[in-house]
Amino acid sequence: NAGVTQTPKFRVLKTGQSMTLLCAQDMNHEYMYWYRQDPGMGLRLIHYSVGEGTTAKGEVPDGYNVSRLKKQNFLLGLESAAPSQTSVYFCASSYSIGTTEAFFGQGTRLTVV
Amino acid sequence: KQEVTQIPAALSVPEGENLVLNCSFTDSAIYNLQWFRQDPGKGLTSLLLIQSSQREQTSGRLNASLDKSSGRSTLYIAASQPGDSATYLCAVVSGGYQKVTFGTGTKLQVIP
Repeated sequence: NAGVTQTPKFRVLKTGQSMTLLCAQDMNHEYMYWYRQDPGMGLRLIHYSVGEGTTAKGEVPDGYNVSRLKKQNFLLGLESAAPSQTSVYFCASSYSIGTTEAFFGQGTRLTVV
Repeated sequence: KQEVTQIPAALSVPEGENLVLNCSFTDSAIYNLQWFRQDPGKGLTSLLLIQSSQREQTSGRLNASLDKSSGRSTLYIAASQPGDSATYLCAVVSGGYQKVTFGTGTKLQVIP
């Protein structure tokens, strides 16, 4: 079982460059999430989606955009990368949010120089 | 605003010891609480999920309890092993928009 797969695993960007992180899940989950993890700050929710074609802002959405054109994929975009976006990004999915467990991808380590 | 705290931030124990990790939250109106394990450079692995109506959940050597009224959860690890060394995170789902809030984790080291 693949579960939740993130692409790429590592990336170095120059300030101002753009990129897209891809998250794919094969569990037919409705809910998908993007988090960033920074030392001493825990995981913070960037954006989330409650179903195909829907997205919503999380705790720290500025500087990011997302799309959920297909149920199995959730894309996170950085239009103009900044050093403050250097972080480890995690994607997660769940069947529902109130009653079932969340499954996480392996993470994408992004460095913006 | 929900706040989740995990104390201690780091813990070192000898192999074979039973140990307890703590998680506290400020808003007791939660839907569920989940414990995760994170190995260095890896993603999060779900360990146990406790629904708001439950008091505890068990999986192998792990037992998680939930006391909503006091805003606390504990993760009990029996007979610890070096392979248990990792960072343990708790997360609660709460609020009208069912927001997920994570603690900052407890880094556990089990010494052989």
